[in-house]
Order: sequence, then structure tokens, then C-alpha cells
Amino acid sequence: DQQVKQNSPSLSVQEGRISILNCDYTNSMFDYFLWYKKYPAEGPTFLISISSIKDKNEDGRFTVFLNKSAKHLSLHIVPSQPGDSAVYFCAASQGAQKLVFGQGTRLTINP
Amino acid sequence: NAGVMQNPRHLVRRRGQEARLRCSPMKGHSHVYWYRQLPEEGLKFMVYLQKENIIDESGMPKERFSAEFPKEGPSILRIQQVVRGDSAAYFCASSPTSGSTDTQYFGPGTRLTVL
Repeated sequence: DQQVKQNSPSLSVQEGRISILNCDYTNSMFDYFLWYKKYPAEGPTFLISISSIKDKNEDGRFTVFLNKSAKHLSLHIVPSQPGDSAVYFCAASQGAQKLVFGQGTRLTINP
Repeated sequence: NAGVMQNPRHLVRRRGQEARLRCSPMKGHSHVYWYRQLPEEGLKFMVYLQKENIIDESGMPKERFSAEFPKEGPSILRIQQVVRGDSAAYFCASSPTSGSTDTQYFGPGTRLTVL
């Protein structure tokens, strides 16, 4: 039972344009959502998070949007840079204990 | 400003041997989580510990796997009698508390290969 799904295994975006990564979840009890970025052979690096009481959180080039009625969140990166090429995982938790991760989306930024 | 430390980074074991993975949380963090990532998959929760207590082990296989977080020293994930299916990347994360908005910060992982 995959409670958090990232339906796009990969995404290719031109440098300078907007990258939009999507994530869907099924458990309406999730109240905290996070995005992590992961390079090969490294651990996930925290990017940005959002509580279920909000619908948007912004940090520099990164913005996360939460649509609770659709059980959908997205990460926007603008402008996209070559260093953004990595695998991005969304994760969700109920009470900020164990995280449930999506399968990841491999983002490639092309020059 | 040391982050979450894990060692060893790479571990090779033969079938039937024991694997011990160590995790030192970030300074000031008292909550530790272990996750496992199989090839081409996302991370899967295994266990959540506080000092001297296992809070949630719902993701741990019932046999051969155990975890501890003693009063002094790192958290240990122990896998007895390893099998090839245990080959994976094992990540540890820590957080300061278990409040509803406490972010988990991850270590670099231990890559276990079972021959």
C-alpha cells in the first residue's frame, strides 16, 4: 500500500526554467510534508517542509504547495540550476514521527 | 557543526555473518530513526528510538533485526545472519524532539553488501 506516490520517475527541465515536481498521498491523517533532495551515494538533504495548516511555503528558489482536498503537493524550483539535478523525494508524517516516502523523481537540468 | 554521522559507510558481509551499523545523531538531538532503501525504491521506515527506548519498531523485520540507542554512545542497528536480500542502503536520521514540525536530518548512509 503506497501511501505517498510520485508518479513521474524522471523529469527533464531546461536551465533557467521552472521545475515542478508532484506528489500525491492517500492518508488524510498526514499533517506534515517534506521534500528531500538526494545525490548518489549521499543521504537525503532536507529542502523545505509544510504543515497541513498551510497551503504554501516558500524558501528562496523553492516553493511547496499543498492541496489538502486533492491530497496533492508540489515542489516548484525557479529558476532551475544545473546543481538542482538530483533525485527528489517527498515524504509525509503524522505527528512528525516516522516518515513515509515516495519513490522519488529524478530531475535533470539541461544547459 | 557536525551533522548525523554514520559508520561504516560501506560494509561487506558474507551470508550468515552479522552486520552492525552505527549512527551518531546531531548534537542536541535525542530522537533517532532508521530507514532502509532498496535499489530503485524510496526510503522505508524501520525503527524510531529515543535514548534507551524503542518508540516505534513497526517497520523492522520480526527476525534477525534489532536496534538500540543506549544512554551513552551511538545508536546501533544490528542484523544477524545476513542474507542477500539485506543488501541495501541504511540511513539514520535524527531530530531534536518529536514535535509535529520537527524535521528529520539524515546521515550519509551505510551501504551493506551481502555476498
